[in-house]
Amino acid sequence: EAQVTQNPRYLITVTGKKLTVTCSQNMNHEYMSWYRQDPGLGLRQIYYSMNVEVTDKGDVPEGYKVSRKEKRNFPLILESPSPNQTSLYFCASSKVPSGNQETQYFGPGTRLLVL
Amino acid sequence: GDSVTQMEGPVTLSEEAFLTINCTYTATGYPSLFWYVQYPGEGLQLLLKATKADDKGSNKGFEATYRKETTSFHLEKGSVQVSDSAVYFCALLSGGYNKLIFGAGTRLAVHP
Repeated sequence: EAQVTQNPRYLITVTGKKLTVTCSQNMNHEYMSWYRQDPGLGLRQIYYSMNVEVTDKGDVPEGYKVSRKEKRNFPLILESPSPNQTSLYFCASSKVPSGNQETQYFGPGTRLLVL
Repeated sequence: GDSVTQMEGPVTLSEEAFLTINCTYTATGYPSLFWYVQYPGEGLQLLLKATKADDKGSNKGFEATYRKETTSFHLEKGSVQVSDSAVYFCALLSGGYNKLIFGAGTRLAVHP
């Protein structure tokens, strides 16, 4: 089954304790992206990757890191989490953009609470 | 920059009522337009899309038409069901970076 998976689905942590949220897709997609969802703001892009070893900032990259060492995986790293990073996080993937017609497929989401 | 504006919710309807959720956008060029749905406790699923002016996307009884002259992509369904209760997001695909720009989302609650 074609899917995007994320782990963990729920996470409670404390300020400053490094954490990683994993994302994996089995569709051989080149493009992957992270979004955060906050009430009244919809989803905002954090980082994206056009292919292995190619990453770039989205609209809200502060406090986050990513890496793309393999095509299928795109982990999101919070080196020193703060309470304002409490949010619902989504990973997405698609084929390389071609004429703006590529559909993005989303993972199930990771709900993060930073105390 | 590019942006999407959706009508604020929540929208509360009785079963079999007609649904309209308004969506307008601001963008340079000719973006693709999408409606995503998020059922309680789940991730986002693509509901429908349209890639050029006057295209109509449709799925599961929902429809939306890409109106370039009014920069709109309103979501409609003729007869909603309780199972349609969810949050609906309008989005556009921005530029060459495959970035989705989302509206704030509209929560729909359908009662029997």
